[in-house]
Amino acid sequence: DVKVTQSSRYLVKRTGEKVFLECVQDMDHENMFWYRQDPGLGLRLIYFSYDVKMKEKGDIPEGYSVSREKKERFSLILESASTNQTSMYLCASRARTGKDTQYFGPGTRLTVL
Amino acid sequence: GDSVTQMEGPVTLSEEAFLTINCTYTATGYPSLFWYVQYPGEGLQLLLKATKADDKGSNKGFEATYRKETTSFHLEKGSVQVSDSAVYFCALSDPAGTYKYIFGTGTRLKVLA
Repeated sequence: DVKVTQSSRYLVKRTGEKVFLECVQDMDHENMFWYRQDPGLGLRLIYFSYDVKMKEKGDIPEGYSVSREKKERFSLILESASTNQTSMYLCASRARTGKDTQYFGPGTRLTVL
Repeated sequence: GDSVTQMEGPVTLSEEAFLTINCTYTATGYPSLFWYVQYPGEGLQLLLKATKADDKGSNKGFEATYRKETTSFHLEKGSVQVSDSAVYFCALSDPAGTYKYIFGTGTRLKVLA
């Protein structure tokens, strides 16, 4: 059974803090994604990684960075959290191509005070 | 650019009613099309998919047919249950074969007993 796990279901941080969100997949997938989900806006892609140490910016990368040192792990970093980064963050992985299914983690609901 | 348009919700139905959630897309090539479902407090999970024109995806009583002539991928179910209450997302994969998925904004379904 495929599995994508995220380090926390709920997080509360203060403005200016550095925040790490971690995602691990056990399917040996090459591609991994970070999205944020906001009411009325659907899912927006923050960053994508197509291989270890490889990354590409998505639609809304500002204020975020990522790290992929191992194939199974993809981290999202908020360098200096701000209140407008309060959101649901979803990690996903996919084998390789656009025809392949994305598998999602349960999400991390981040609140920045 | 590529886009996905879903009918706005919420959609409220009685148990055993017929469900249709409309989805249309704009893409320059031949995308793969997906329906994902998100239950409360969870991440997205694949409901069904179709990778070429006239394909029908089906799962758990839900169906959708890839209609290239009308650029549509409408989700249907003949008899909904209370347990189908969730948010449904239509999505397409970038036909250029790159990483991007394009998601609709989601349609909330509420089924009443």
